Amino acid sequence: NAGVMQNPRHLVRRRGQEARLRCSPMKGHSHVYWYRQLPEEGLKFMVYLQKENIIDESGMPKERFSAEFPKEGPSILRIQQVVRGDSAAYFCASSIQGGHEQYFGPGTRLTVT
Amino acid sequence: QKEVEQNSGPLSVPEGAIASLNCTYSDRGSQSFFWYRQYSGKSPELIMSIYSNGDKEDGRFTAQLNKASQYVSLLIRDSQPSDSATYLCDAENYGGSQGNLIFGKGTKLSVKP
Repeated sequence: NAGVMQNPRHLVRRRGQEARLRCSPMKGHSHVYWYRQLPEEGLKFMVYLQKENIIDESGMPKERFSAEFPKEGPSILRIQQVVRGDSAAYFCASSIQGGHEQYFGPGTRLTVT
Repeated sequence: QKEVEQNSGPLSVPEGAIASLNCTYSDRGSQSFFWYRQYSGKSPELIMSIYSNGDKEDGRFTAQLNKASQYVSLLIRDSQPSDSATYLCDAENYGGSQGNLIFGKGTKLSVKP
């Protein structure tokens, strides 16, 4: 009865490198959400996906960030050419439907050096 | 700009008292409301969901929703030191356009023994 899984838990990247964050939703959930949280700040919505579809990307920066949720496999949040300001905790959540309870993964802590 | 507003706190209550956490939202179309608890350095976990006007009780927690006033609250009875955390309010609307998933910045609760 696994919950939401995220990997890696910690990721260190140098400026200019790419960061790839993975999220496997709870069994039976086909809706995935990505959030970013800076230290001592609130949770900021980034993107909401269903299998093979982006439903809402209104919180996603226009450049360098992309997300996908393929038919098979985990959801991926990709950050190209990382900068120091990208250092944050990135949380993934899943739900059975939009507008229903979300269950969060443990997060990926990204550090850009 | 759709918003969910919470008093950032910290809200300090003595052990055994009732803690009252409040949240207002700007999107009248919001249909689903959730409270999450987040311990420092951890991911958010769902505490309560509420979809219709009135009160919903679960153990020591009661969620209250007033759609006319666009107001959601969470009461924690018999507060314990282990309730010390940040509480996040979430309002969701999936009947309209993008930008329908909004978290408040959270209220930090401190329960003093």
